[in-house]
Formats: sequence, C-alpha cells, structure tokens
Amino acid sequence: GQQLNQSPQSMFIQEGEDVSMNCTSSSIFNTWLWYKQDPGEGPVLLIALYKAGELTSNGRLTAQFGTTRKDSFLNISASIPSDVGIYFCAGQSGSQGNLIFGKGTKLSVKP
Amino acid sequence: DGGITQSPKYLFRKEGQNVTLSCEQNLNHDAMYWYRQDPGQGLRLIYYSQIVNDFQKGDIAEGYSVSREKKESFPLTVTSAQKNPTAFYLCASSMDRISQPQHFGDGTRLSIL
Repeated sequence: GQQLNQSPQSMFIQEGEDVSMNCTSSSIFNTWLWYKQDPGEGPVLLIALYKAGELTSNGRLTAQFGTTRKDSFLNISASIPSDVGIYFCAGQSGSQGNLIFGKGTKLSVKP
Repeated sequence: DGGITQSPKYLFRKEGQNVTLSCEQNLNHDAMYWYRQDPGQGLRLIYYSQIVNDFQKGDIAEGYSVSREKKESFPLTVTSAQKNPTAFYLCASSMDRISQPQHFGDGTRLSIL
C-alpha cells in the first residue's frame, strides 16, 4: 500500500530558529496537506497544495508541492513557543481518494 | 459557528461492552470519516461515508461499525470484537470524498476500564 515517510520524527529548537520538515511518498499524489495537532485536540489544517511545484504561505509557514509529486516540504520561520505541537503531512492520490498520513513531526520550542 | 462536534471527549469501556462515539457536522459536507490515532502513529482510516445511507470500510474496520442515516451525523460504534480499542478517535468531513481538505473534530479518547 501507499506509505508516507515523514521526517524528522522530532525536533528541539530554540525560539526564533527556522524549522524544516518533509514528507516523501512511494507513489504520486495529487494533493498534499499539512496539519498541526495540539495535545488532546484534532488536527487543524495549515496549508493545502494542489499542483506540482506550488509554493504556498500562511503567515510564517511555507509549504511546497514537490515537482516529482512524491514529496512535500513545510518550513516555519522565526519559531515561537506556540508552534509547539505535532505536524502531519497527508497526501491524496486521485484514483483512490483516501488521505494517507505521515507519522508526524513533534516540534518542541525552547523559549 | 460551522464545524465538527465529537462527543464525549472521554469515554470508558468495560470488557464485552459496545460503545458509540458521536460525530456531528454543520458544514453541509457530503463525506465523513473516522480515524484512529495511536501514540507515535499517523491517522488510520476506519470507515468513511460518501453520502447518506452509504459507507465503506477503511484500512482497519474490523471491530467497528458505523451508520449514516443523516447527512450531518456519522456515529461510530466500537464493538466488543475490537480487542484493542484504547486510542484517540477522530472524525472528519470534506465536501466530497475526492475534494480536500478534510476538517477534523476535537476527538474522543477511549480507554478500557
């Protein structure tokens, strides 16, 4: 079946630093989504990408849909304590329709 | 406010008992989904429904059942056949199954007594 490899698994950074995480797939996706989950809550959508090569920003967050359609990247600039949480990527291929989720990147920010 | 409401927030199940988790949405979405989340794991699809009175098994449907009698409601029953039910359960919806993104509720944490 389809699998997503999300890395890194966890990150410990200093407030103000930039953060990068990525997801790679064994197959082609038509859609890439990035979510953030706080403890005990549901994932909240950060950025949605629908086209290969697309680069989209949401405040300090920037995500890109890889040109091979098998990967996506999320960058967070100038991190702040409230960025703490687990970030998930999710991909969808048009033929199947189900979202496939990565295992998440746990971000910790030291003030 | 439009959104997805899951209840209860916490639920405890006794051995041999069936329990039902509620999910209601007022987003007028056709498609609804149930996921299971275990620590350190991504979300795994249990069941999904594309339209009222229709639902399909996901990757881990064994031990679970669903119904979709109304567009806004998609309850999940965790049956006694599910031997490892302790997890965080998330409900989601989208305009339709092909269109994304999915929007999530705040989850129900199920534990065994």
